[in-house]
Amino acid sequence: AQKVTQAQTEISVVEKEDVTLDCVYETRDTTYYLFWYKQPPSGELVFLIRRNSFDEQNEISGRYSWNFQKSTSSFNFTITASQVVDSAVYFCALSEDYGGATNKLIFGTGTLLAVQP
Amino acid sequence: EPEVTQTPSHQVTQMGQEVILRCVPISNHLYFYWYRQILGQKVEFLVSFYNNEISEKSEIFDDQFSVERPDGSNFTLKIRSTKLEDSAMYFCASSAQTRIGTEAFFGQGTRLTVV
Repeated sequence: AQKVTQAQTEISVVEKEDVTLDCVYETRDTTYYLFWYKQPPSGELVFLIRRNSFDEQNEISGRYSWNFQKSTSSFNFTITASQVVDSAVYFCALSEDYGGATNKLIFGTGTLLAVQP
Repeated sequence: EPEVTQTPSHQVTQMGQEVILRCVPISNHLYFYWYRQILGQKVEFLVSFYNNEISEKSEIFDDQFSVERPDGSNFTLKIRSTKLEDSAMYFCASSAQTRIGTEAFFGQGTRLTVV
């Protein structure tokens, strides 16, 4: 069965600290995509990254980096030198290729990141 | 930059009333979705829609819910007789195709409060 687990419900750090948000997934498929979305206090969902199951290269975008490891079914997200504006709920999501007609996303429960000044 | 637009941003309704949540997807997108997020919980898939029909729906999407694309631009979610537990943030999303991994663009959400 497909499932996304974000075990950390809340994390609090002080500005400039590095922080890693964990994501573990379960899927029956060999072809799938993983996503991270940010939900700031204003409520909208902001797309951050997409990764396919065949590409395990780590990715860096500015202060953000992602570590995808199929061996442990994890897709962790690290923010380097965190800032107050990073405070938000972060969702990891999975999209499977099970031959269905849609491209629905299965979300984890989210991690609330609070960055203190 | 094109975006998905949802109206209203906040709707308060009495239990048992019908509500219609509206969405304007990105203009060249063909695939539309509704998701729901109960306060403090995860985002859950409700339904997907393509070519004027439902492609897939979740267990949450029971007979109280319906979707429609009444014209060339709007995509609506109707809840016929609202219950207290329908209180949530409802997100509309659209994508250009359903190929796996295609990015879905989300609207700002409509916060529905049932009293």
